[in-house]
Amino acid sequence: QKEVEQNSGPLSVPEGAIASLNCTYSDRGSQSFFWYRQYSGKSPELIMSIYSNGDKEDGRFTAQLNKASQYVSLLIRDSQPSDSATYLCAVNTNAGGTSYGKLTFGQGTILTVHP
Amino acid sequence: DGGITQSPKYLFRKEGQNVTLSCEQNLNHDAMYWYRQDPGQGLRLIYYSQIVNDFQKGDIAEGYSVSREKKESFPLTVTSAQKNPTAFYLCASRGYTNQPQHFGDGTRLSIL
Repeated sequence: QKEVEQNSGPLSVPEGAIASLNCTYSDRGSQSFFWYRQYSGKSPELIMSIYSNGDKEDGRFTAQLNKASQYVSLLIRDSQPSDSATYLCAVNTNAGGTSYGKLTFGQGTILTVHP
Repeated sequence: DGGITQSPKYLFRKEGQNVTLSCEQNLNHDAMYWYRQDPGQGLRLIYYSQIVNDFQKGDIAEGYSVSREKKESFPLTVTSAQKNPTAFYLCASRGYTNQPQHFGDGTRLSIL
């Protein structure tokens, strides 16, 4: 089993719809979770961080975390063509007792928002 | 502006050559990371460092080497032992445990 797994996609939604991106992780001790957006040929940019169970909203983005189910999701409301990108889920894992840990990334989900 | 600077943006390697990718940050972050990304795939960790003069191997360290002589700098050398070096290389840093990583703009390495 992969440490961090995302729904494979690609995901295509019409403009104005809700896009739902999902991620599961294997390390029960993980404490911090991140969603990054990556446009083609560019580096990842952070769009959401979540640390506690429940929902966290920021504009059109909502991150949801369920540690018991080891599941984190990202909802994008009122999707726009400019949201078309690859979305990477990242989970902080304990790197053998080191203080900073390391991020483990999923393989990414390609989202296309069509007009 | 505070940030992470990677150079060069594009790099070409000849057969049997070692090449070094630069990563500099002025965020005063202790931890720095190098990732490799292949087309259609997520990020794979090559090396990371949490303090000057110390670094650890990531998941795919073979064929790569690093140094951390200064807090601001974490260069990555792609050695001739790395037989498939063509990829997008990303450097990142973080300031505190459980905080997100911030990325540079990346270096795209190709074989001549």
